[in-house]
Amino acid sequence: ILNVEQSPQSLHVQEGDSTNFTCSFPSSNFYALHWYRWETAKSPEALFVMTLNGDEKKKGRISATLNTKEGYSYLYIKGSQPEDSATYLCAPISSNTGKLIFGQGTTLQVKP
Amino acid sequence: EADIYQTPRYLVIGTGKKITLECSQTMGHDKMYWYQQDPGMELHLIHYSYGVNSTEKGDLSSESTVSRIRTEHFPLTLESARPSHTSQYLCASSPAGIYYGYTFGSGTRLTVV
Repeated sequence: ILNVEQSPQSLHVQEGDSTNFTCSFPSSNFYALHWYRWETAKSPEALFVMTLNGDEKKKGRISATLNTKEGYSYLYIKGSQPEDSATYLCAPISSNTGKLIFGQGTTLQVKP
Repeated sequence: EADIYQTPRYLVIGTGKKITLECSQTMGHDKMYWYQQDPGMELHLIHYSYGVNSTEKGDLSSESTVSRIRTEHFPLTLESARPSHTSQYLCASSPAGIYYGYTFGSGTRLTVV
């Protein structure tokens, strides 16, 4: 079973600050990684699906990178806004089971 | 606008009752999943289905059961609810293939008293 670690567990920033989170996992036995944003009282929403070493994805002010050799992915938010406040979940897919393994998430609070 | 629907959103029920959590999707996805999340913990897969009449248990052992008689419908049933079943249950679906993100429902928060 993959052990997926996300850090930090929570983060409080001011509007306009840029921030990044880390997702780490065993570097072998996986073949893709998902990032999700989960706002309070809403459903988790898929942000990125990343499949290749060195993959970089961008959606507006949010971007993500993947390093499969060392087993980590970064999520970066440029110029955080209050509407970015949410829990961000990463989920590598195990090549043994083909299933998503979720981390505990990083909860971001952006203050106006 | 949600393409995957879960009902009820909240449920408080007494010990020993039988409950069914409903999940329906309108996207024609073959793959559907049930996740369980306890407060402050990760989402854990408890059941999944890759198509009609196909159901499998997930990584986390659960006393619940599921059925998949129609592509769009994936209900979860607890025959006899216990306080240990108190948790949040999330349903999700995805197309076939690894390159697609999951679409999640809004969840059912179950409390067994």
